[in-house]
Amino acid sequence: DVKVTQSSRYLVKRTGEKVFLECVQDMDHENMFWYRQDPGLGLRLIYFSYDVKMKEKGDIPEGYSVSREKKERFSLILESASTNQTSMYLCASSLYYWVRDKSFLRDNEQFFGPGTRLTVL
Amino acid sequence: KQEVTQIPAALSVPEGENLVLNCSFTDSAIYNLQWFRQDPGKGLTSLLLIQSSQREQTSGRLNASLDKSSGRSTLYIAASQPGDSATYLCAVSLSGGSNYKLTFGKGTLLTVNP
Repeated sequence: DVKVTQSSRYLVKRTGEKVFLECVQDMDHENMFWYRQDPGLGLRLIYFSYDVKMKEKGDIPEGYSVSREKKERFSLILESASTNQTSMYLCASSLYYWVRDKSFLRDNEQFFGPGTRLTVL
Repeated sequence: KQEVTQIPAALSVPEGENLVLNCSFTDSAIYNLQWFRQDPGKGLTSLLLIQSSQREQTSGRLNASLDKSSGRSTLYIAASQPGDSATYLCAVSLSGGSNYKLTFGKGTLLTVNP
């Protein structure tokens, strides 16, 4: 089974602090994602990475940056945390493409971590 | 821009009932559609994934169907149990270069009463 883990379940930070959220997956997936989830707004993509050191902005990248130095690890960085970044943060991973020895039926399937509930005071 | 709608937003049923959750999307050029379950305060658990060339997928008491031309998918849950209580989300990816990107609906909150 795919396992996606996130470094913290709950985090409380102060306005202006630099915050690191870590995500690790153990299935050798190329793609990794960071989302935030807010009531009434649903899940929104912050950043996406399709390979080591490669990244693409999602729908709401402002105020965030990311780092992918190793294939299994994808970090989300809040350079200067603000109260409007209080949210549930979810990491996910998926295969880059259909691999011959994998089931076509599972191509592109995203697997999520348990989430980090971040509160910025 | 792809939009995904889930109706109803909330559903409450007695235990044992069969039920259907609905998902509609505006752009039929999808790569695949995925159904997820989310328990309160937790991450998403993948339930079923349907490729654009498929009509349905089954896993245990769950059956998901896809009608790409009409922009609809349904998730059928047979013989519901209190443990099925959760929020169910559907998400679609578009065909083409951005097929990694999922667009999510806002979910249906299901409560199964004992």
